Order: sequence, then C-alpha cells, then structure tokens
Amino acid sequence: GEDVEQSLFLSVREGDSSVINCTYTDSSSTYLYWYKQEPGAGLQLLTYIFSNMDMKQDQRLTVLLNKKDKHLSLRIADTQTGDSAIYFCAGADTGRRALTFGSGTRLQVQP
Amino acid sequence: GAGVSQTPSNKVTEKGKYVELRCDPISGHTALYWYRQSLGQGPEFLIYFQGTGAADDSGLPNDRFFAVRPEGSVSTLKIQRTERGDSAVYLCASSLVGNNEQFFGPGTRLTVL
Repeated sequence: GEDVEQSLFLSVREGDSSVINCTYTDSSSTYLYWYKQEPGAGLQLLTYIFSNMDMKQDQRLTVLLNKKDKHLSLRIADTQTGDSAIYFCAGADTGRRALTFGSGTRLQVQP
Repeated sequence: GAGVSQTPSNKVTEKGKYVELRCDPISGHTALYWYRQSLGQGPEFLIYFQGTGAADDSGLPNDRFFAVRPEGSVSTLKIQRTERGDSAVYLCASSLVGNNEQFFGPGTRLTVL
C-alpha cells in the first residue's frame, strides 16, 4: 500500500517562506493532499493536487509535484505565526478512498 | 455551514469496558470515514462507508472494533473489551461521493485506564 514520509520539524522566521516536503510510494495516487492540524483541533484540508499536474497555487500556498521522484512539497509564502501547526501530506492507493497520512511536519514560526 | 461533529469530545473508560463514539457528517455527504490518530502520528484509516454499507473495513485492527451507519448519515464506532492500546484520538471525516476531499471532525479523545 501507499507509504508516506515527511520530515518531523521545520522552524522559520515570520515573513520567510516555508517549504514542507513529503515523499510517497504509490505513483498511481490520483490525488495528493495537504492537511493542517492546530493543537487540539481537527484536520483542516488546505489544498490538493491532481496527479497529472506539476504545480498548483492557491493564495500563499504552492504545491509542487514531482512524479518521477515521488516527491510532493508545500510552500507557504510570507509565513505568519498563525501558520504554526502540524502539516500532513496524504495520498490514496489506486482505487481506494482511504487516505494514508505521513507522520506530520511540525512548523514553528518564530516572530 | 455545519461541519463534521463528533461526540463525546473526550471519553475515559476502564480496560475491558465497551465504548461507542458518534459521528455526524456534513449534510449531503454520502461517504464517511473513521481514522485513529495516536500521539505523534498521522491518522490511520479504520473504515469507510458509502451510504449505509461499509465499502472498506480493511483498517479495523481486530474484531473488537465495529462501526455502523444504519441510515446513511450518523455513524457509530463501537469498541468492545477496550485495551490501553486503544487510547487515541478517533477522527471522523465525510466527503461527497464524487470526490475524495475529506472533511474531518474535531475527534474524540479516548483514554483507556
């Protein structure tokens, strides 16, 4: 099945860009997702990218997909303290709706 | 509009007891999912319903876990003979049938003493 890996921790200064990386194993995943989880809160769907796309931009968020290397990244421009959270990437095996999540990257934004 | 809601928000029980966790999906979402999130980990899939039927229950860890969705809306996750290892946050999500954008509820934190 799908396996998803992420680095555990990222620290940036307010106003800088953040780049959170993710690698996955199932190259036939149709969609790949980014979720945000704040302390004590549920998962918030941030954005997703269809597998036939290389890039998707949504306001301060840019998702890049490198299918050859099975690498997904989320770039947050002008990072704010409110962006401090845990970010999860997720994908689904072919033909399945169950999402497989990475273990999450904790983003710490320093003022 | 109303999102996915889950009750209770917290549940403390003793080893060996039976618990029920409830999920109210977003109105109109026919797909419903249960996940479990242990401390420091990402959510792990348990079961997926399409309408009233369980379309994929491959994530249920053993036969102590069971879920129902009798009318195709509210779902209940049932855990028998709870064990300390069942302690986790249980997350519910729902989506429209035509896509896989899953919207999550706030979760139920289950603690088994």
